[in-house]
Amino acid sequence: DSGVTQTPKHLITATGQRVTLRCSPRSGDLSVYWYQQSLDQGLQFLIQYYNGEERAKGNILERFSAQQFPDLHSELNLSSLELGDSALYFCASSGYDRGPYEQYFGPGTRLTVT
Amino acid sequence: SQQGEEDPQALSIQEGENATMNCSYKTSINNLQWYRQNSGRGLVHLILIRSNEREKHSGRLRVTLDTSKKSSSLLITASRAADTASYFCATALTSGGYQKVTFGIGTKLQVIP
Repeated sequence: DSGVTQTPKHLITATGQRVTLRCSPRSGDLSVYWYQQSLDQGLQFLIQYYNGEERAKGNILERFSAQQFPDLHSELNLSSLELGDSALYFCASSGYDRGPYEQYFGPGTRLTVT
Repeated sequence: SQQGEEDPQALSIQEGENATMNCSYKTSINNLQWYRQNSGRGLVHLILIRSNEREKHSGRLRVTLDTSKKSSSLLITASRAADTASYFCATALTSGGYQKVTFGIGTKLQVIP
């Protein structure tokens, strides 16, 4: 158990809908990262937050947004969902925003868009 | 695009054999990390090697880094069926004072009992 929790575990929704994925980092970790993993794309970095502030952006679509709250949990909002958004979404946390550091991954949320 | 590219994409070996996975990357890095992922689960950090290190060991794992060739290898010795998983390399580069970590597409390892 990495100490990172993600909810929900599975999510099935229809195209055009909006969903929110939630992540709680390991106790004491200030950095949160979001990744998307689909079968043909590998692990894609989406966005990183450190202590509530956005630190780095990857291949995150404009339809997606995220935030990190004062209690350090983070939410990833996905809107106007398309079939291609079906994937595993992982959250990871680390104790630092400047490295080197290792990331601790949550169990992921499996999103299926029908 | 992915910074790290693992090779091979899939590997199948008998229990007890050694497994070697390679990772190549394109730009300078500050460190390189290897992670393991069991099917459908979160990634687990295995080992981190800094750019000024050439080799690192952790149990049955040995990682090498050749910055001149921009490549790294992960060796798992005396493999076990429980080592069956996907293995990812991740390159880390400081940009604007913060480290950006980029994952490769992974190597799927199957260890046959």
